Amino acid sequence: DTAVSQTPKYLVTQMGNDKSIKCEQNLGHDTMYWYKQDSKKFLKIMFSYNNKELIINETVPNRFSPKSPDKAHLNLHINSLELGDSAVYFCASSPTREGGIQYFGAGTRLSVL
Amino acid sequence: GENVEQHPSTLSVQEGDSAVIKCTYSDSASNYFPWYKQELGKRPQLIIDIRSNVGEKKDQRIAVTLNKTAKHFSLHITETQPEDSAVYFCAAMANAGNMLTFGGGTRLMVKP
Repeated sequence: DTAVSQTPKYLVTQMGNDKSIKCEQNLGHDTMYWYKQDSKKFLKIMFSYNNKELIINETVPNRFSPKSPDKAHLNLHINSLELGDSAVYFCASSPTREGGIQYFGAGTRLSVL
Repeated sequence: GENVEQHPSTLSVQEGDSAVIKCTYSDSASNYFPWYKQELGKRPQLIIDIRSNVGEKKDQRIAVTLNKTAKHFSLHITETQPEDSAVYFCAAMANAGNMLTFGGGTRLMVKP
């Protein structure tokens, strides 16, 4: 009964490949996010969706494409993976777009070789 | 956009001592300030938060203070224990954008 779950937990792949990370929340929240945490632990917002609608899109390369089939799911697809994409990617959710507590998933550690 | 600075980047204390982590923010419209704790290999978890209509909030051994005029807020942990060892992140958010901007993190080490 994990609140925010993301798969896979680990992802090791070659440069140039395309990969997806899935996220699901069972909290009934309206808003979901993707964050990137680099090797120095900096946590940076990438995208935010509110009820399937994109509301935040930080300066992320267009190789990254989020998709929200419904408000409980927010997936992240990455094309043409590069070495610099190696990081831990966290999904999170919050009750509304007006902010408040954000609940994080366990993270996906992506290693691009 | 918002910029959040956090200091120190590492902090080592003896068990039982207090620890203080400080953050400054740039956007005067920010009105929500959470603190997250991230243990090694785990997800960030909220430990305490404060909104701009209060100056201080306390929850057992942890407290947060906010100075809106100076645009800074601090986390105070008293009677530290080894299990408090983790990376702590401050963050700021303005309601209008619902975007959390995180500080760079503080690695707290509590020595037994």
